[in-house]
Amino acid sequence: AAGVIQSPRHLIKEKRETATLKCYPIPRHDTVYWYQQGPGQDPQFLISFYEKMQSDKGSIPDRFSAQQFSDYHSELNMSSLELGDSALYFCASSDGGRVAYEQYFGPGTRLTVT
Amino acid sequence: AQSVAQPEDQVNVAEGNPLTVKCTYSVSGNPYLFWYVQYPNRGLQFLLKYITGDNLVKGSYGFEDEFNKSQTSFHLKKPSALVSDSALYFCAVRDMKFDGAGSYQLTFGKGTKLSVIP
Repeated sequence: AAGVIQSPRHLIKEKRETATLKCYPIPRHDTVYWYQQGPGQDPQFLISFYEKMQSDKGSIPDRFSAQQFSDYHSELNMSSLELGDSALYFCASSDGGRVAYEQYFGPGTRLTVT
Repeated sequence: AQSVAQPEDQVNVAEGNPLTVKCTYSVSGNPYLFWYVQYPNRGLQFLLKYITGDNLVKGSYGFEDEFNKSQTSFHLKKPSALVSDSALYFCAVRDMKFDGAGSYQLTFGKGTKLSVIP
């Protein structure tokens, strides 16, 4: 079965640079979520989109922005990167129109800021 | 605000023995609870969920969960552990702000590392 696709899988950036992470949800899933998992930490919710509109916002820094496109893929844009942004970034997708639905996670993008 | 707690950072169990990974929750209203497993350098894989109904929930890979409302617990169980079950397990709770179509936040516990010893 098709899964959530994230690219790139690994990314190394320097401080103050920008980064763009991409997420392709499971086909026919209309809802996308972004989570950040620091080393040895649990995943923290950043932001979500439902039917291409921002749906909910968590602990996402103002330096980060995201959007969902007409084909339902999503991009997380990160600017003025800091050392503390080094983490595993997960994208998840779900069928938002169905009650009691679970989120399916991608393999993650490991961002290292040097 | 809703939350989950995983009281054990690590659980060790011998292969073939039953395993339990504990999780307790705190929510207002009916809980929507989930278990995910994370293998090294991999994403989170959905195992099972409790929405409403039977207290014993069966999920993927032989895992099941026993929901106990009076103890506000949602422990993950498996009758016979495999070495391949060794991984990091997270329980999570869905936020109650939205109870219809659309998106919702998941709040995760800190995770429990399960080691199955051959």
